[in-house]
Amino acid sequence: AQSVTQPDIHITVSEGASLELRCNYSYGATPYLFWYVQSPGQGLQLLLKYFSGDTLVQGIKGFEAEFKRSQSSFNLRKPSVHWSDAAEYFCAFFNDYKLSFGAGTTVTVRA
Amino acid sequence: SQTIHQWPATLVQPVGSPLSLECTVEGTSNPNLYWYRQAAGRGLQLLFYSVGIGQISSEVPQNLSASRPQDRQFILSSKKLLLSDSGFYLCASDGRSNTGELFFGEGSRLTVL
Repeated sequence: AQSVTQPDIHITVSEGASLELRCNYSYGATPYLFWYVQSPGQGLQLLLKYFSGDTLVQGIKGFEAEFKRSQSSFNLRKPSVHWSDAAEYFCAFFNDYKLSFGAGTTVTVRA
Repeated sequence: SQTIHQWPATLVQPVGSPLSLECTVEGTSNPNLYWYRQAAGRGLQLLFYSVGIGQISSEVPQNLSASRPQDRQFILSSKKLLLSDSGFYLCASDGRSNTGELFFGEGSRLTVL
């Protein structure tokens, strides 16, 4: 079945350190892939998307993600995290009108 | 850009009572609309989506229903709430892009007691 998996439920990172969130997909063709972010008690905001072409995509808030077909991965990265990056992050794929989400990774930023 | 309005923002309802959550969209026409539920520690579950007025697709069998009486209005309902219906309900629109780029509302938090 088509799906995305986020192996890490919770990650703690120090402010100023780098961050990488993992996402693996299971899909026959090249999927439309996304990363969304959710601050506590709020809706979701699109960080970045991958449809085709350049496998390194840039998003908002200094985030980037790399699509690796050989590893079926679409990992999210940020070189230097800020306290405001503390949130829940969701990987998602789109197919047949529907956007399906991974279970999410909660990021805690310590001073 | 689109704006998604949801209300009420918070509600507490007894088991067996009815439910109506409303979502309206501004800034686009003929969007594809979605209802998601986010239960504690369980990620986002797609409940319903609609590609047009009166057209509803259900993803999960349950005691909830959805309706789309107008192009930019999407309503989530229940005749009798269950404890398991508690959660954070999110409405989303893709502005007819059909690409997965969704704009989300601020959500409605439902607690069933």
